[in-house]
Amino acid sequence: GDSVTQMEGPVTLSEEAFLTINCTYTATGYPSLFWYVQYPGEGLQLLLKATKADDKGSNKGFEATYRKETTSFHLEKGSVQVSDSAVYFCALRPDTGFQKLVFGTGTRLLVSP
Amino acid sequence: EAQVTQNPRYLITVTGKKLTVTCSQNMNHEYMSWYRQDPGLGLRQIYYSMNVEVTDKGDVPEGYKVSRKEKRNFPLILESPSPNQTSLYFCASSPQPTPGGNQPQHFGDGTRLSIL
Repeated sequence: GDSVTQMEGPVTLSEEAFLTINCTYTATGYPSLFWYVQYPGEGLQLLLKATKADDKGSNKGFEATYRKETTSFHLEKGSVQVSDSAVYFCALRPDTGFQKLVFGTGTRLLVSP
Repeated sequence: EAQVTQNPRYLITVTGKKLTVTCSQNMNHEYMSWYRQDPGLGLRQIYYSMNVEVTDKGDVPEGYKVSRKEKRNFPLILESPSPNQTSLYFCASSPQPTPGGNQPQHFGDGTRLSIL
């Protein structure tokens, strides 16, 4: 079945460091891919999305590129801030079974000053 | 302001005492869904609804019920709660999803349930 695999956390970085959170997926056809962010005590918010191969989603300095050949959608940011500390979820909407989003387990990011 | 509102935010209760978690959205979305979030497991879908009076099971529906009598509301009912239903619950809504579609889901702030 469809699935999303994320790197284990927590990821601990100093402010202004470069961030990569790995995400790979298993799905047939052409799913849409998403990154959501969850700040403490809040629900998930959409961070960025991509709908087809080689699309790049970007928002708030974060980027991710839909790589069909490696079935990946890694999240990157060039310079993290303390305010980026949160849990990040990679997710996909399949071609079939599209009535739900399939989520990864989440990766906690901790950024220190 | 566009939002999904869940109530209560926190609840501690005992095994077997029926409870309802309410969810309401003000965006006129057709689709609504309930998830539970558990450590190491991410979010798992409980039930979803594609429109009024149309509901279906997600991945972990056992022990839960839902109804969709109005477009804006999608309550989650635990008829006889048990300790393994202790979790963080999220309601979400979106425009009607399509295969491989990019419709993002809007999430509520969550309801933390503890069943003793």
